[in-house]
Amino acid sequence: KQEVTQIPAALSVPEGENLVLNCSFTDSAIYNLQWFRQDPGKGLTSLLLIQSSQREQTSGRLNASLDKSSGRSTLYIAASQPGDSATYLCAVIQDTDKLIFGTGTRLQVFP
Amino acid sequence: EPEVTQTPSHQVTQMGQEVILRCVPISNHLYFYWYRQILGQKVEFLVSFYNNEISEKSEIFDDQFSVERPDGSNFTLKIRSTKLEDSAMYFCASAPGVTGELFFGEGSRLTVL
Repeated sequence: KQEVTQIPAALSVPEGENLVLNCSFTDSAIYNLQWFRQDPGKGLTSLLLIQSSQREQTSGRLNASLDKSSGRSTLYIAASQPGDSATYLCAVIQDTDKLIFGTGTRLQVFP
Repeated sequence: EPEVTQTPSHQVTQMGQEVILRCVPISNHLYFYWYRQILGQKVEFLVSFYNNEISEKSEIFDDQFSVERPDGSNFTLKIRSTKLEDSAMYFCASAPGVTGELFFGEGSRLTVL
């Protein structure tokens, strides 16, 4: 059974720092991995989708990498801003069409 | 930019009552989903729907739950007789393809008293 874990559970950093959020999964047979942002009490905003054949994806200050064989993905946030404060979720899709979510990393960026 | 819309944003109901949560997926998407998130817990898969039928459902999605696409635009989740443990945020999502990017709505918060 696929398990998705995110470390750290919470992170508090000053504005301007570069950050790395980690996601690990126990079964490497995935089709893709998706990173989301969730603001308190709100929905899930898709940030990046990495197909299983890809190694990384970039969008603005965000860069996500995928190492299927080791069961890991990282989300790199450059030059963090207070507006980046949110919970970041990773999720994987396997041989069915359902997403399996991690526990999330709660990020706070203070001015 | 196209988005998934959900109504209501918050519903309070008494235990045992029926609830219908509504979603309008992105118009050219073919795959539709319901997920839920109990406060402080992971987002959990409930059901996927394609070509007017359920393609997969989780153990949570028992006989009290049903989904329907009554017309070309709406996608609904019905809970026949709500329980206290059904209190959660329910998210609708849609995707253009089976392993494509999923787009989520803002969620419907259900509170069962």
